[in-house]
Amino acid sequence: GEDVEQSLFLSVREGDSSVINCTYTDSSSTYLYWYKQEPGAGLQLLTYIFSNMDMKQDQRLTVLLNKKDKHLSLRIADTQTGDSAIYFCADLDTGRRALTFGSGTRLQVQP
Amino acid sequence: SAVISQKPSRDICQRGTSLTIQCQVDSQVTMMFWYRQQPGQSLTLIATANQGSEATYESGFVIDKFPISRPNLTFSTLTVSNMSPEDSSIYLCSAPDGHGYTFGSGTRLTVV
Repeated sequence: GEDVEQSLFLSVREGDSSVINCTYTDSSSTYLYWYKQEPGAGLQLLTYIFSNMDMKQDQRLTVLLNKKDKHLSLRIADTQTGDSAIYFCADLDTGRRALTFGSGTRLQVQP
Repeated sequence: SAVISQKPSRDICQRGTSLTIQCQVDSQVTMMFWYRQQPGQSLTLIATANQGSEATYESGFVIDKFPISRPNLTFSTLTVSNMSPEDSSIYLCSAPDGHGYTFGSGTRLTVV
C-alpha cells in the first residue's frame, strides 16, 4: 500500500526558518497536503499542492514538490513560538479519495 | 470552507460499553471519512461513509466493532463497540472541502 514518511522531530530558534520533509510512494498522487495539529486540537489544513506544480508559496509557507524523487517539503519562514505543533503531510489516495498521513513531525520553536 | 461539528469532544468509558460519536457538516458532502489517531501516532483511516450505502472499511477494521451510519448528506456517526483499553484514541471525522479535506475537532476516548 501507500506509504508516507516524515522525520519525527525538528527544533528551531524563533525567527529561523523551519523545513519539514516528507517522502511518499504513490506515483499517482494528485494532491499533497500539509496539516497542523496543536495539542488537544483537531487538524488544520495549512496548504496543499497539486502534483503538476513544483512550488507553492502562501505567506510564510513555501511548499516544494519533487515528483521525480517523491519528496515534499514545507518551509516556514520566520518561525514563531505559535508554530510549535505537529505537522502532518498527507497524500490523496485517488482510489479511495481519502488521505494517507505521514507519522507527523513535531516542531519545537525555542525562544 | 466547510465546518464539521463533532461530539463528544472527549469521554471516559468503561470497558465493554459502546460510544457513539457524531459529526455534523454545515454543507452536503457525498463522502465522509472516519480516522483513528492512537496516542502519539498518525491518523489511520477506519472507513469511508457514503450516503445510501454501506460504509467501506479498511483492512483491520470491521463493521461489528465500528458500525457507521450515514443517514443523510450532512451527518454521520461512528460507534466504538465493546470497548477495551486498546480503543483509547482520538477519533476524527473528515469531509472533502474544495481541494482539501476538513476535519472535526476530534473525540478523545479513554477506556478504563
